[in-house]
Amino acid sequence: AQSVAQPEDQVNVAEGNPLTVKCTYSVSGNPYLFWYVQYPNRGLQFLLKYITGDNLVKGSYGFEAEFNKSQTSFHLKKPSALVSDSALYFCAVRDQGGATNKLIFGTGTLLAVQP
Amino acid sequence: SAVISQKPSRDICQRGTSLTIQCQVDSQVTMMFWYRQQPGQSLTLIATANQGSEATYESGFVIDKFPISRPNLTFSTLTVSNMSPEDSSIYLCSVRAPGETGELFFGEGSRLTVL
Repeated sequence: AQSVAQPEDQVNVAEGNPLTVKCTYSVSGNPYLFWYVQYPNRGLQFLLKYITGDNLVKGSYGFEAEFNKSQTSFHLKKPSALVSDSALYFCAVRDQGGATNKLIFGTGTLLAVQP
Repeated sequence: SAVISQKPSRDICQRGTSLTIQCQVDSQVTMMFWYRQQPGQSLTLIATANQGSEATYESGFVIDKFPISRPNLTFSTLTVSNMSPEDSSIYLCSVRAPGETGELFFGEGSRLTVL
């Protein structure tokens, strides 16, 4: 069965500092991996995805994520955090070879960027 | 990207009543997905709605509790029946971008509070 883990409930970072939000996954085949952001009282917005190819994926708002197959990880990163990046971030995985199209979400990580 | 409109955006409901949530997409899509996000938790897939056939429900969700309609390729409804306080959640409609590797796009969500 596929699963995804976000080990940190909350990440605190000072504005201007680099940020990392961690995600590890488990699938039987090759993964499709996604990051979403949810601002207060809003739906989820797509940030970026990894399908195949280059392990470093760039997405919206200056975010990027690195796919590491050996560590089964897909950590979200940004070189310089903004206060406006404060939100809830979800990692999600879908098994390429799976019998279902279902996207499985992690439990979310709250990013708090202090001015 | 798809534009997804959900109504109502929020509602306060009495125990034992039912509420229907509407989801309108600005393009024709084969599948529409309904998710639930309970307070402080991640997203859980309720069902997949295909036009012209019965919805496919995930484990733990049943049609009697969450009947779904899909009358055409741009519209779907989810009804939360005989509500209890445990049904207080955000309900999110989503569609997938074209192609096997497409990401999900989400509506703004419908925040239900059951008293």
